[in-house]
Amino acid sequence: GNSVTQMEGPVTLSEEAFLTINCTYTATGYPSLFWYVQYPGEGLQLLLKATKADDKGSNKGFEATYRKETTSFHLEKGSVQVSDSAVYFCALSDRIQGAQKLVFGQGTRLTINP
Amino acid sequence: DSGVTQTPKHLITATGQRVTLRCSPRSGDLSVYWYQQSLDQGLQFLIQYYNGEERAKGNILERFSAQQFPDLHSELNLSSLELGDSALYFCASSVEGGGETQYFGPGTRLLVL
Repeated sequence: GNSVTQMEGPVTLSEEAFLTINCTYTATGYPSLFWYVQYPGEGLQLLLKATKADDKGSNKGFEATYRKETTSFHLEKGSVQVSDSAVYFCALSDRIQGAQKLVFGQGTRLTINP
Repeated sequence: DSGVTQTPKHLITATGQRVTLRCSPRSGDLSVYWYQQSLDQGLQFLIQYYNGEERAKGNILERFSAQQFPDLHSELNLSSLELGDSALYFCASSVEGGGETQYFGPGTRLLVL
């Protein structure tokens, strides 16, 4: 079945560092791809998405490009802040029985030190 | 704030008991999804409802059931609880359920003792 593999965490960076969290997927067809973020003690928030190949999703300084040739959707940010500390989940939409579910990666915990 | 609400926020119960988790979708959304987040299994899809009808099932145990009511709120019923059912249960909603974005509630944290 369809699956998502994320970079192993935890990841610890200093403020203003460059961030990359790798995400690759296995899927039949062309699923939509998502990044969700979970701040401590909170639920999942949609960070960005891309619905077709070469689309770039962006939000709050984060970006990710849907790369069909490498089946990847890596998350990047040029200069991280302490407030970006959270768990980040890569996900794809998977069609089953005519409906849709999200398939998530295992999550990557990011800690930013001042 | 996603607009999806879940109650209760926390739930502590004993093995063998039965609990009900409640979810209200965003205004206008017809589809509701339930996910379970646990340390060993990660985030897993349980079940989806669309406009009152079950649409898709994932890794949902037979001891678990759900329904969506005419006002579109949904309930997830967990019975004969086991220690391993301790997890964070999320509800999400979307406009229709055909592939558009899902918006998540804050979750219900269940602890089975």
